[in-house]
Order: sequence, then structure tokens, then C-alpha cells
Amino acid sequence: AQKVTQAQTEISVVEKEDVTLDCVYETRDTTYYLFWYKQPPSGELVFLIRRNSFDEQNEISGRYSWNFQKSTSSFNFTITASQVVDSAVYFCALSEAVTNAGKSTFGDGTTLTVKP
Amino acid sequence: DGGITQSPKYLFRKEGQNVTLSCEQNLNHDAMYWYRQDPGQGLRLIYYSQIVNDFQKGDIAEGYSVSREKKESFPLTVTSAQKNPTAFYLCASSINLGLGEQFFGPGTRLTVL
Repeated sequence: AQKVTQAQTEISVVEKEDVTLDCVYETRDTTYYLFWYKQPPSGELVFLIRRNSFDEQNEISGRYSWNFQKSTSSFNFTITASQVVDSAVYFCALSEAVTNAGKSTFGDGTTLTVKP
Repeated sequence: DGGITQSPKYLFRKEGQNVTLSCEQNLNHDAMYWYRQDPGQGLRLIYYSQIVNDFQKGDIAEGYSVSREKKESFPLTVTSAQKNPTAFYLCASSINLGLGEQFFGPGTRLTVL
């Protein structure tokens, strides 16, 4: 069964600090997709990134970067020089192409608080 | 602008009443989903639909029902059989099932009095 673990329930940092959110997943499929979403206080989830299992290249988008490592089944998310607006709940999700017919499983989320 | 709308944003109901949550999308997406979120927890899948006139139970479908008569619409009914319906409900859509990122609506917060 697919499973996503976000071990960090809450993280608090001071503005301009770097912070890494961990995501560990379990799957038996060879083809799968990983996602990160942001949920600000308004409640609506916002898509951040998608990675397929065949693409282990790290990605950088502005202050955001993602480290995908199949060897450790991890897909970690780093925010560089954090800002107050980064305060939100962040979810990691996994979608298996075959076993679960593409349904996504979400982790329990990590609540990030960035203090000024 | 393309997106997903959910209404109402806040909903109150008395115990024993059925209530229907609306979800509409104009993204031309085939797949739609309903999730439930409880405080401090992740999203749990209630129902999903891959195509019009077809839908499947998710992980916590008991006490809920859906319909998919139009591509744009995927309403969720919370029935009186749902033992603990107070929660935040999120609707989402994607181009197809699972392969693409999901786009979410603003959510409906349901409170049972």
C-alpha cells in the first residue's frame, strides 16, 4: 500500500532562516508521482511541484528547492531565506500509476511558522 | 478565470439532516475528487470520479454520496448516516486520474449542531 510520512508535525523558524520539510514515501510501483502542496490559512491547497519516479533531478524554483532520492524514498522540500508569507501547512502526496489507479495519498502535513 | 468553486464556504446543519456541498470546475478536467480534512490531519479521500456518470468510493465513503451528471459538477451529499460529519471538505480536479497535479477549491467548513 502506498504511504506518505511527514514526520515533522510543526516547525518554527525566524525569517530568513532556511528550512527543510521532510517527506518519506512507500510504494511497490515503479511508476509513481510525488507532489508538494501548500495550504495557507485560507484553506485552499495550492500545487507547488510534481515529480515522476523516473526523474531524480533536483529542482529549484526561486527560494524553493526539492531533493528527490529514490534510494532513500524521500522527496524533501527546502525553503531558502524563509519569509512570513511562507507560513502554511505543507503536504506531500504520492500517486501510484498502477496499484492504486492513480489515487493520491497525502501525508499528515507539516505546519510551518515563520516569525518576523 | 478558470478554477474550482465550492459553495457555501460555511455550512451549519442539525443532526439528522442531509446536506449537499457544491463543487464546480471550468478547467475541462476529467477527474474530480472529494476530500475530508480534520484538524491537524491530512486529506482523506471520500469519493472520486474519473469521467462523467462514473465514480468510485475512496477510503472513507460511508455516510456520503455523490453524482457526476456533468463534467463540470461533482456535488457531495453528507447524509445523516455519517456519524461525525463536522469537518473541512475540499473538492479537487485534475486533467486525468492521478497523473496530474490536483487543483483545489476553497473548501466548505461543515458544522453539525
